[in-house]
Amino acid sequence: EPEVTQTPSHQVTQMGQEVILRCVPISNHLYFYWYRQILGQKVEFLVSFYNNEISEKSEIFDDQFSVERPDGSNFTLKIRSTKLEDSAMYFCASSDGTGGPEAFFGQGTRLTVV
Amino acid sequence: DAKTTQPPSMDCAEGRAANLPCNHSTISGNEYVYWYRQIHSQGPQYIIHGLKNNETNEMASLIITEDRKSSTLILPHATLRDTAVYYCIVRVHILTGGGNKLTFGTGTQLKVEL
Repeated sequence: EPEVTQTPSHQVTQMGQEVILRCVPISNHLYFYWYRQILGQKVEFLVSFYNNEISEKSEIFDDQFSVERPDGSNFTLKIRSTKLEDSAMYFCASSDGTGGPEAFFGQGTRLTVV
Repeated sequence: DAKTTQPPSMDCAEGRAANLPCNHSTISGNEYVYWYRQIHSQGPQYIIHGLKNNETNEMASLIITEDRKSSTLILPHATLRDTAVYYCIVRVHILTGGGNKLTFGTGTQLKVEL
């Protein structure tokens, strides 16, 4: 069964450092998303990406964040200068372009900022 | 997107049906009801969705009331592996152009016990 894969599963970084979280969406999907979940809190939408551009972003997704689809298969989330409050699980998701409403989520990357 | 209300927690005996309610009294005519679940801290998993007719798939059944103001997710024979947080989400089904974000609430923590 096709799945969304994320790497690494766990990333520890020092405050102020840049991190890149990587995702390989399902191959025929056209819509890509990043969500995050701070420990004990709700899953929150960050950004959606379609046709090589951001289609929607939340208030959380400020100038410190960026997304890219560099090679047609990977989908990355970059945090330029991490803060302690960026510590969270980050989930990548993808959905197809046929009108199927379900999104498929990866297993997440746990980001710990120290 | 319409707001949903779910009980914070429920218990179910293994092998019995788990019936998870969701209230969405402000739902609009073009909004679908989606159900996802999150097992421990894994990525959310799509379960089922519907507009106004009852739906069934290999995982669950979705019963939507005639006035569409509430729905029930039914896991016919719950197992220990169904212990998870279940999210009821209501949103417009957008076919193109992205914007298919999901807004997660706090969901219902279902605990399946022996």
